[in-house]
Amino acid sequence: AAGVIQSPRHLIKEKRETATLKCYPIPRHDTVYWYQQGPGQDPQFLISFYEKMQSDKGSIPDRFSAQQFSDYHSELNMSSLELGDSALYFCASRRDRDNEQFFGPGTRLTVL
Amino acid sequence: AQSVTQPDIHITVSEGASLELRCNYSYGATPYLFWYVQSPGQGLQLLLKYFSGDTLVQGIKGFEAEFKRSQSSFNLRKPSVHWSDAAEYFCAVGARLEVAGNTGKLIFGQGTTLQVKP
Repeated sequence: AAGVIQSPRHLIKEKRETATLKCYPIPRHDTVYWYQQGPGQDPQFLISFYEKMQSDKGSIPDRFSAQQFSDYHSELNMSSLELGDSALYFCASRRDRDNEQFFGPGTRLTVL
Repeated sequence: AQSVTQPDIHITVSEGASLELRCNYSYGATPYLFWYVQSPGQGLQLLLKYFSGDTLVQGIKGFEAEFKRSQSSFNLRKPSVHWSDAAEYFCAVGARLEVAGNTGKLIFGQGTTLQVKP
């Protein structure tokens, strides 16, 4: 069965650089969630999209922005990177009317 | 506001012993409830979930969990632990989607690290 795809799997950036993380949901899934998991932390909800519109927002810094495109893939754009942005970023997708969201393998971002 | 508490940060059990990981939640109504397992540096694997119905749910790898409404708990159990069960375990809650305005985002507990002694 198809799963959620995230790219890249690993990313190394310098402070103050920008990064773009991509998420490709399971086919026919119209909702995407982004979570951030810092070292030794639990995953924290950042933002979600339903049918290409932002549906919910969590503790996402103003330096971050995201969108969902017409093909339902989503991108998380991160600017002015800080050391504290180093984390595992998960994307999850869900089909409307289904209760379960499916997680991708995550993108590990390291900011040096 | 929704919250999830996993009281035990670290648990060590001997291989073959039984296991119970605690999870308590705070929510105005019965939420969706999940248990995930994560190996170091890896993604989140769903062990089991509770949406409605039978309060004892079976999951993968021999795990089960029991929803107790009166205690706002969803504890994870396994009768006999294997060395390969050593990992981080997260309990999570999600607001019910049939309620208008709920978007399905998950709130995670702080996690419980399980060590298995040979």
